[in-house]
Formats: sequence, structure tokens, C-alpha cells
Amino acid sequence: ETGVTQTPRHLVMGMTNKKSLKCEQHLGHNAMYWYKQSAKKPLELMFVYNFKEQTENNSVPSRFSPECPNSSHLFLHLHTLQPEDSALYLCASSRAIAGASTDTQYFGPGTRLTVL
Amino acid sequence: QKEVEQNSGPLSVPEGAIASLNCTYSDRGSQSFFWYRQYSGKSPELIMSIYSNGDKEDGRFTAQLNKASQYVSLLIRDSQPSDSATYLCAVNDPGGGADGLTFGKGTHLIIQP
Repeated sequence: ETGVTQTPRHLVMGMTNKKSLKCEQHLGHNAMYWYKQSAKKPLELMFVYNFKEQTENNSVPSRFSPECPNSSHLFLHLHTLQPEDSALYLCASSRAIAGASTDTQYFGPGTRLTVL
Repeated sequence: QKEVEQNSGPLSVPEGAIASLNCTYSDRGSQSFFWYRQYSGKSPELIMSIYSNGDKEDGRFTAQLNKASQYVSLLIRDSQPSDSATYLCAVNDPGGGADGLTFGKGTHLIIQP
């Protein structure tokens, strides 16, 4: 699905580094999401943005800081991460029609993050 | 705490047979249900969505929903080796608009040639 792109695809960082993950959607959607996928665990929702406004923060530690400058772009700023934060970070987008329960999310390819 | 339960498998099915994947969910108010396929090292790819009780067919795939039993299933007919992947069941909230999905851990399906 080339409608949602993510960069970089792989990232290795030390615990003292600061880095950012980028997501861009070309589907004309209004909502964007960050998910984390760790080994042996289900995908975990991190953040939801709807029309650039954050509507959900799923108790994510402050070392993860999202930014959504417009409906097409979403960033995840990372600082002072821990080795247990190593995971696949997935971005998704959806149309997000108010009052409609039929919203479908489409995922980007993900960023494989390794924290040393 | 919303939960989505799946048997992690692996589920091994001979090529050409029907693969049956099951999922239960805890939030009775859930209204949207999705099956995603995820190949190793790749991101989830939407296979089916279902919103009403009953069956929904798309090619070799059939999704079944029973809200009274809080049960969703996915049938794959004429299974092919390329169907070997992890299948993720996901459930959405009834609020409408932008809501995060709650995922199960996934069922690892192996189609034996």
C-alpha cells in the first residue's frame, strides 16, 4: 500500500540520541495514527490525530512526542529511549467520517527501531 | 480494558483446504471488525471488514460476525501457500470518526503444499 509512506524504514539509535520518524499519507484521509508492534505482543495504539488535533494518547511515555502539522503528515519524535522501546512503529490513516462506524485504517510499511 | 482474543497457532492447513480463523472480543459495544494479514517483517494489510451480523464474502475470503456471541471469524477457501502469514483480528469503538483499533495477537497460519 503506497498510499501511506514511512521514513526511515530502519533506525538504530543510542539511548541518548534524538531522532524522528516521519509518516505521510496520500489518500486524502483526515485521521492518522501511531501504533507500536513489539515481539509477542499485539499492536498497541499510541496516538490518534483527527484533523491535526490529538484525540487520543494511550498512556504513552513522554519520551515519545507526536506532531501532526497537517492531515497528511505525522511525526514521532524520540528522545532518551530505552532498549525495551525497540519495536516496529507503524503509522496508519483513515477517512474518519464523523458519526460513521465504518472507518478503515490503512497502514504504512513501518519503521523498525532498535535502541542500543 | 478492551480485549481481542485469538489463538496464536500455528494453524497448519493443507493446500486447497479451508482455513478457519477465529476471534472473540470483550467490548459488546464494538461495531466495526477487521481482518488484516501480516507477512513476516511487513506491515498489516487489510483483508476484510465486517459491520453487520452474518457473512460477508470477497473472493476466497469470508468473514463471519456474531455480535451476540462476540465472535468474528475468517474463512479462507482453496488455501494457497501464499496465504501463509499472521492474521490479525481488530475491533473498533462505536464512537465513529477516528478511533484506534484494538488488535488481537494474531494467528500464525501455515499452508502446507
